[in-house]
Amino acid sequence: GAGVSQSPRYKVAKRGQDVALRCDPISGHVSLFWYQQALGQGPEFLTYFQNEAQLDKSGLPSDRFFAERPEGSVSTLKIQRTQQEDSAVYLCASSLGRAPSYEQYFGPGTRLTVT
Amino acid sequence: SQKIEQNSEALNIQEGKTATLTCNYTNYSPAYLQWYRQDPGRGPVFLLLIRENEKEKRKERLKVTFDTTLKQSLFHITASQPADSATYLCALDKDGSSNTGKLIFGQGTTLQVKP
Repeated sequence: GAGVSQSPRYKVAKRGQDVALRCDPISGHVSLFWYQQALGQGPEFLTYFQNEAQLDKSGLPSDRFFAERPEGSVSTLKIQRTQQEDSAVYLCASSLGRAPSYEQYFGPGTRLTVT
Repeated sequence: SQKIEQNSEALNIQEGKTATLTCNYTNYSPAYLQWYRQDPGRGPVFLLLIRENEKEKRKERLKVTFDTTLKQSLFHITASQPADSATYLCALDKDGSSNTGKLIFGQGTTLQVKP
């Protein structure tokens, strides 16, 4: 079956450009998560949606980061005025969002390089 | 805030041996703990979830233990194979006993199984 897909897989942006990263979760998954992963580190939580509601955005590094999931399925992570420190892999994950299991299904990630 | 520590040094073992990876956390005892596998260039893949009231969980050649007194989980791969070579990530629920599924991850331990 189809898993979580992300696009683009690779993105090179000049400093100051805006970027938009897309995530297509598994159909029917209520919860959607965005993570940022630096080289050699584990994923770091950015934000969380339950259906279309953004319930937690405490991990977003600055107000340049914005995420949306307007219809409760596809999500977009937007980064405005990119900086070099934004270079990382951005992972999207989805889950059924209910007990007893909270296992998350991850996409392959988008590798963002800001030059 | 909760912190997770995994051995950042790579673990090198011989094929057929048992690999043991450690995950320590510093603060509250989580409602559950998860282990993921991540291969280069890919998103993490869920392996096992263990709840706070479970001491041990098994799945095929994998075994996870959870000691809330020691604040530690051990992840074992028995009869290891070169195909088990990957980075293994430990993850806890971000907000203690929340039921949202938001996770914080350790930095991961890289396992290399030599034939």
